Amino acid sequence: GQNIDQPTEMTATEGAIVQINCTYQTSGFNGLFWYQQHAGEAPTFLSYNVLDGLEEKGRFSSFLSRSKGYSYLLLKELQMKDSASYLCAVRDPRNYGQNFVFGPGTRLSVLP
Amino acid sequence: DGGITQSPKYLFRKEGQNVTLSCEQNLNHDAMYWYRQDPGQGLRLIYYSQIVNDFQKGDIAEGYSVSREKKESFPLTVTSAQKNPTAFYLCASSTEASGQYFGPGTRLLVL
Repeated sequence: GQNIDQPTEMTATEGAIVQINCTYQTSGFNGLFWYQQHAGEAPTFLSYNVLDGLEEKGRFSSFLSRSKGYSYLLLKELQMKDSASYLCAVRDPRNYGQNFVFGPGTRLSVLP
Repeated sequence: DGGITQSPKYLFRKEGQNVTLSCEQNLNHDAMYWYRQDPGQGLRLIYYSQIVNDFQKGDIAEGYSVSREKKESFPLTVTSAQKNPTAFYLCASSTEASGQYFGPGTRLLVL
């Protein structure tokens, strides 16, 4: 089966660093994606990992360990506008790699 | 500008009525998807389509129908068989090499 787990909610302080974890168990793997979704809006792409290691993009970084079925999204220098849900998604290689399995999302609240 | 659009932004459905949600993309993407999102929940796949004139059921297809007559368009019909249709509906598209691009969503409410 397909299963992706994330913490439901997290709280952090403006200017701090927060790490959002994602664990997955899928029948296949062809990349892991992180999306940001503000309330009432569509998800927007943040990062993509297909090989093990850390991908850095400004204040956001994403890490992948395929052997452990584990990823995290690291947000540095938190700003109030980072308050949103963060979705982890795995691309399933069935159907030419175009199926995506989403986790439940982690709702992050950034406090002043 | 390339992108993916959905209309309307809000849609009201009466009891026993079928309603159709529009999704159009000019990104030249082969694959298109429909997701349902309930408050505080993740995305659940309703239907997806890899190519024109072909589509597959997702995890929660009951009470929904789709068509894919053109590459650019993937409309979703919420039928009267869907007893709990109130949700946020998201359309997305992708290529083999990319992640998914999402439309702005349609919020469906039942009167």
